[in-house]
Amino acid sequence: NAGVTQTPKFRVLKTGQSMTLLCAQDMNHEYMYWYRQDPGMGLRLIHYSVGEGTTAKGEVPDGYNVSRLKKQNFLLGLESAAPSQTSVYFCASSTRLAGVYEQYFGPGTRLTVT
Amino acid sequence: AQTVTQSQPEMSVQEAETVTLSCTYDTSENNYYLFWYKQPPSRQMILVIRQEAYKQQNATENRFSVNFQKAAKSFSLKISDSQLGDTAMYFCAFMKKTGGAQKLVFGQGTRLTINP
Repeated sequence: NAGVTQTPKFRVLKTGQSMTLLCAQDMNHEYMYWYRQDPGMGLRLIHYSVGEGTTAKGEVPDGYNVSRLKKQNFLLGLESAAPSQTSVYFCASSTRLAGVYEQYFGPGTRLTVT
Repeated sequence: AQTVTQSQPEMSVQEAETVTLSCTYDTSENNYYLFWYKQPPSRQMILVIRQEAYKQQNATENRFSVNFQKAAKSFSLKISDSQLGDTAMYFCAFMKKTGGAQKLVFGQGTRLTINP
């Protein structure tokens, strides 16, 4: 079991460029999440999904879009990158099985926007 | 909205000592979960311990235990017999118990250093 994987691990963008971060999980989890982590702050929720074909906004959604076309994948897109989006991005997944309340995290993607 | 506060940005102790990390939270919910996550230099988020709000008994996992004070909205983590491998960022997190998505709200983190 690979768990939760993220692609790429590192990326440098110029302001205005676009990119997509891919998250994949092999645990058949219903829920998936994207967080960002900035220095001196905990993780903050960007967007999340409760199932294939559904997405919803989290705490800091501006500047990002997401899609969940397949249950195992959750994509995070930056259409026009800004220096304020320099951060470490984490994907996570969880299941709605009764009594199981744990999120499994990917290894993170470090994104720098210059 | 829920908030989680960790008032200790950094802590440092000697190996084998006991250390306690503080966490307070604010919520009007009655059913929820609290978590401590460890983030070593590898960046991987690792679940350390979990507490269900309706359970009065404090959770324990080997050398890790919590002191959960629901009325005071306090959730501290105690690490006994600390080891060099415990060096990491530690995050306290809150999750509302709901039938929908299980969204986590994190504190700012405490950087813990265990010295040899």
